Formats: sequence, C-alpha cells, structure tokens
Amino acid sequence: DSGVTQTPKHLITATGQRVTLRCSPRSGDLSVYWYQQSLDQGLQFLIQYYNGEERAKGNILERFSAQQFPDLHSELNLSSLELGDSALYFCASSASAGSSYEQYFGPGTRLTVT
Amino acid sequence: GQQVMQIPQYQHVQEGEDFTTYCNSSTTLSNIQWYKQRPGGHPVFLIQLVKSGEVKKQKRLTFQFGEAKKNSSLHITATQTTDVGTYFCAGPRGSTLGRLYFGRGTQLTVWP
Repeated sequence: DSGVTQTPKHLITATGQRVTLRCSPRSGDLSVYWYQQSLDQGLQFLIQYYNGEERAKGNILERFSAQQFPDLHSELNLSSLELGDSALYFCASSASAGSSYEQYFGPGTRLTVT
Repeated sequence: GQQVMQIPQYQHVQEGEDFTTYCNSSTTLSNIQWYKQRPGGHPVFLIQLVKSGEVKKQKRLTFQFGEAKKNSSLHITATQTTDVGTYFCAGPRGSTLGRLYFGRGTQLTVWP
C-alpha cells in the first residue's frame, strides 16, 4: 500500500460526459502528479501540482483540468469524453516538487468511455 | 524534446535466466529512477541513481547509471516468477521540475 488513495476504482461513462477523478496523496506529501496510461501510449504525464499550485504541465488536453485543494487532495476533471480517453489514470505523490523525489503511485482509476 | 527510450519492449525468459533492460536518454540526466508495475497494479518505485557510473544492488537486481549519465540499465540475475511485470525507467527534465519522462517500459514474462 503506497498510502495514495484514488477514487473511484472503475468508471464507465458515455461519450460527451464529464467525470471527476479524486486523489489523496500520502500523508505529508505536497506534490501530486497525474498520469494517463494506455496500451499504445505508455505512461503519459499530464500535470503536477505542488502545495496547491500548478507546477508542471504535460500533454494534458484542454478538455481536461485539475486542481489541488488546501487539504492537498487533488481532482482531475475530464469533460466532453471521447472513446480515446479510455485509459488507466494514476495519481502519484512525492514529498516535494523536485525530480529527485521518488513518486508514490495510487492504485489508479480505470476509465471506460462507451 | 527530451525522450527516454527503453529497450526491449518485451522479454520472455525461463525462470532462472538473467534479464536486462536498457534505458537511453538524448540528453544528460540529473538522476534516473526505476519503477516496477506488476500486472494489474500500479508503478512502484525501486531505486534512484544520481552519480555518474553509479551501481546499486537490491538482492538479485543490479542498477547502473552510465558514465555520461545518458543511459542506465537494470539487470536481474536468475529471474523468478515474482519478477514478472513491467519495468520503467524515468528521467527528469531539468533539475527543478518534478516532471519525469517515463520510458515505454520493458514487459518481463517469466516461464516457470
């Protein structure tokens, strides 16, 4: 158990819909990362937050947005969903913002768009 | 942009055989991390290498960081069925950002 929690575990929704994925980092960790993992694209970095502020942005679509709240939990919002958005979404956390900190991954949310 | 390339993509070995996966970067890395993802699981941090030429061992696993800090390898001696999974290397972009570029991973299958 990494100490990172993600909800829900599974999500099935239709195209055009909007969903929210939730992540609680390990106790004491200030940085949260979101990744998308699909079979053909590997593990893709989406966005990083550190202590409530956006820190780094990856290939995150404009239809996707995220935020980190004062209690450090984070949410990833996916809207106008398309079939190609079906993937495993991981949240990870680390103690601080730098790249030398190991990242602890949550169990993931499997999103299926039908 | 910086890419972290990892080979091979798949490796099938018989239990007891050795296994090696290689990671190459187009630019010098300040550090490199290795993660393992079991089937149906999430990536789990294994180790971080920082120094040029560094070698670290964890039981049957040996991790190396190249002299130029552009490549790394993970070698498993005498694989076991518990070694099954996908091994990822990940390198940062710059020294201050937390963003890691993950390789595509090497999926290891071990036959009993």
